[in-house]
Amino acid sequence: EAGVAQSPRYKIIEKRQSVAFWCNPISGHATLYWYQQILGQGPKLLIQFQNNGVVDDSQLPKDRFSAERLKGVDSTLKIQPAKLEDSAVYLCASSLVGGPTDTQYFGPGTRLTVL
Amino acid sequence: GIQVEQSPPDLILQEGANSTLRCNFSDSVNNLQWFHQNPWGQLINLFYIPSGTKQNGRLSATTVATERYSLLYISSSQTTDSGVYFCAVNSNSGYALNFGKGTSLLVTP
Repeated sequence: EAGVAQSPRYKIIEKRQSVAFWCNPISGHATLYWYQQILGQGPKLLIQFQNNGVVDDSQLPKDRFSAERLKGVDSTLKIQPAKLEDSAVYLCASSLVGGPTDTQYFGPGTRLTVL
Repeated sequence: GIQVEQSPPDLILQEGANSTLRCNFSDSVNNLQWFHQNPWGQLINLFYIPSGTKQNGRLSATTVATERYSLLYISSSQTTDSGVYFCAVNSNSGYALNFGKGTSLLVTP
């Protein structure tokens, strides 16, 4: 079974530029999550989708971050404009049904460096 | 929100040694997962264990939900066990996984 796919794996941009990340979840998984992991910390949830609807985006900085999951499969996360503090690894995860007892499976992440 | 504390923050072991990692959490949970983040950044599920005990090879985990802690045991450690071990939980009122700060493990030859 293929895992969660993410691209690109690495991205370097200058502050105030925009960037987009892509995620393809495990086939058949209804729920998709985006997490931000700053160096030395555990991942922090940014947004959770159930199919193509948003379940939780309470920690998403909506003035600069946006995410969509068209057709309930792939998802993109965008940052515009980027700030220095956005330097982090952005992890995508998926789970089968999205319930509180679901096991979440993570992709390899995209490492973003903002200069 | 729910607080997750992991200890120790750092651990250095010689190959072959055993270790115990601890995760304390501040509220009732209905999901607790242990992950290993390898040096390339990939988070790998080890256990889904909101209560009880599970074993997988050299690894085992125990969660005592009533006392709000979980333990991860690594026996006969190998250099490939190096990386960061995270405990993540969600509370009975939410779906998001809340991660601890992790235990950074280095196993030396």
